[in-house]
Amino acid sequence: QQQVKQSPQSLIVQKGGISIINCAYENTAFDYFPWYQQFPGKGPALLIAIRPDVSEKKEGRFTISFNKSAKQFSLHIMDSQPGDSATYFCAASQGGNKLVFGAGTILRVKS
Amino acid sequence: GAVVSQHPSWVICKSGTSVKIECRSLDFQATTMFWYRQFPKQSLMLMATSNEGSKATYEQGVEKDKFLINHASLTLSTLTVTSAHPEDSSFYICSARWPWEETQYFGPGTRLLVL
Repeated sequence: QQQVKQSPQSLIVQKGGISIINCAYENTAFDYFPWYQQFPGKGPALLIAIRPDVSEKKEGRFTISFNKSAKQFSLHIMDSQPGDSATYFCAASQGGNKLVFGAGTILRVKS
Repeated sequence: GAVVSQHPSWVICKSGTSVKIECRSLDFQATTMFWYRQFPKQSLMLMATSNEGSKATYEQGVEKDKFLINHASLTLSTLTVTSAHPEDSSFYICSARWPWEETQYFGPGTRLLVL
């Protein structure tokens, strides 16, 4: 019940296209859902986060869509660029405690 | 965003030696820090939660006598890998939680190679 399932495992998108990564969770007590971006050999960097009282949050080219009833949330990257090529992790936590991470999605944006 | 540093960024050591990794929150005070381990092409695996002034809470399967964690101040947590062996070679990453919020900021990671 603590798992966060992330898909797809890898994704190839053309430059300018939309990248979509999906996550699903079981624990309804989760109340915080961040997305992290990680480049090879670096630590994860916080991209955007959402709480369950909001269905969508947008920051620049990054948007989180949240479906509380389906227990799913997704990351949309608009106008994807080669510099967006990285590994993306979704995560969830309860009450500010430990983050439970998805397995990660390797995104490659082709120029 | 908030800045978290780690030192060293990489370390090579001989089997049987101990290695200390430092994690610092540079522009905020963090009562809670977390230590993760990441193998190539895998997700982050939480090792332990470190609270300032108290003992760390270790995840199931993590040997607390092997991975010693100390959170002596609001800006510094250390992870010591004792008697390191080749199987301990990995990428170790810390994070610090922003005060009174859920947001965690990650350090750049430390690559450990045990020969």
